[in-house]
Amino acid sequence: EDKVVQSPLSLVVHEGDTVTLNCSYEVTNFRSLLWYKQEKKAPTFLFMLTSSGIEKKSGRLSSILDKKELFSILNITATQTGDSAIYLCAAPPTQGAQKLVFGQGTRLTINP
Amino acid sequence: DVKVTQSSRYLVKRTGEKVFLECVQDMDHENMFWYRQDPGLGLRLIYFSYDVKMKEKGDIPEGYSVSREKKERFSLILESASTNQTSMYLCASSLGIGLKQYFGPGTRLTVT
Repeated sequence: EDKVVQSPLSLVVHEGDTVTLNCSYEVTNFRSLLWYKQEKKAPTFLFMLTSSGIEKKSGRLSSILDKKELFSILNITATQTGDSAIYLCAAPPTQGAQKLVFGQGTRLTINP
Repeated sequence: DVKVTQSSRYLVKRTGEKVFLECVQDMDHENMFWYRQDPGLGLRLIYFSYDVKMKEKGDIPEGYSVSREKKERFSLILESASTNQTSMYLCASSLGIGLKQYFGPGTRLTVT
């Protein structure tokens, strides 16, 4: 059964801290892994990773994929209160080319 | 930019009522999805449509049906709402075989 597991489920840090969010997956015929950020409403796309070891970066956010160990991490440096959100990780399942299987999400809270 | 809209942000219905949730996308996307989001469970796929009048069950279709009469519109129907269908409902769309999904703002449904 296809599975995407995120950890931790919840994380509270102080502004300025660096955080690492984890996503592991069990999907046959792996193609890619996606990260989304969800604030109060629609999840918004952050990254799509297809190649192992190549970091994707956007400002203070970065992500990398390890296809051998079947996981990805999302790093946020110098966190700000605006980074508070649910971070979702997803991967396409073994069957169903256009679908995504989502992890449980990590709720990140940044305290001032 | 892709825009996905949902008919209501908040909805309160009584047990046994028939409930319609509407989703409209403006980018001519072939694929449309309905998810429900519950704490600790992440996003779970209810139904998926890859073309007009075409639909496919997701992971949790029981108690739901869908309708796609026009390409831009995908409706989720709760024939007889129950309290365990209280949840956040998210609609998404994607283009062709592309994996990146674009989400609507969500409808928080409460069934009393």
